[in-house]
Amino acid sequence: QKEVEQDPGPLSVPEGAIVSLNCTYSNSAFQYFMWYRQYSRKGPELLMYTYSSGNKEDGRFTAQVDKSSKYISLFIRDSQPSDSATYLCAMSAFNAGGTSYGKLTFGQGTILTVHP
Amino acid sequence: ETGVTQTPRHLVMGMTNKKSLKCEQHLGHNAMYWYKQSAKKPLELMFVYNFKEQTENNSVPSRFSPECPNSSHLFLHLHTLQPEDSALYLCASSQGQGFGYTFGSGTRLTVV
Repeated sequence: QKEVEQDPGPLSVPEGAIVSLNCTYSNSAFQYFMWYRQYSRKGPELLMYTYSSGNKEDGRFTAQVDKSSKYISLFIRDSQPSDSATYLCAMSAFNAGGTSYGKLTFGQGTILTVHP
Repeated sequence: ETGVTQTPRHLVMGMTNKKSLKCEQHLGHNAMYWYKQSAKKPLELMFVYNFKEQTENNSVPSRFSPECPNSSHLFLHLHTLQPEDSALYLCASSQGQGFGYTFGSGTRLTVV
């Protein structure tokens, strides 16, 4: 079983739609959860991060973490063609001393296309 | 220049060649990373450097040799690669470890 599972898609939606992207994970030690966006021929850029469970909102983007289900989501409201990219979830664990372990584990990435 | 800069952007090399990838970060970060991104696979961590010291080698074959002369520069030396090593090689940096990575645009490597 992979540590992080993410449906690669591709996902195609019309402009203005609500997009839901998801990842599941198996390692209960993960504490930090991130979403990266990667445009074609570019490196990933950090979009949002959350610590432990809960929701975080930033403009049209909402990140949700459900640690009991080991499930994280990214919602995009009013999607735009400029949102077309690959979205990668990533997560990291902390060691017993409370300091960062330092290793990000990534999902495979979901290819999203928003068409006008 | 700002952010994380990787050169070259594209590289084609034969299996007997030796080449190097370069990464430079202008963010004052103290940790640097090499990742491999292949089609239909998650990003694979290769090496981690923290304050110039290698803290992780993720079972990478010896034909990949990293070098970190200072906290701002990271190299990946390549020799006798295989076609399956063709991929996008990404460099990243962070202040501390665990989250908030800044990635470069990557080097697209093709081994022929």
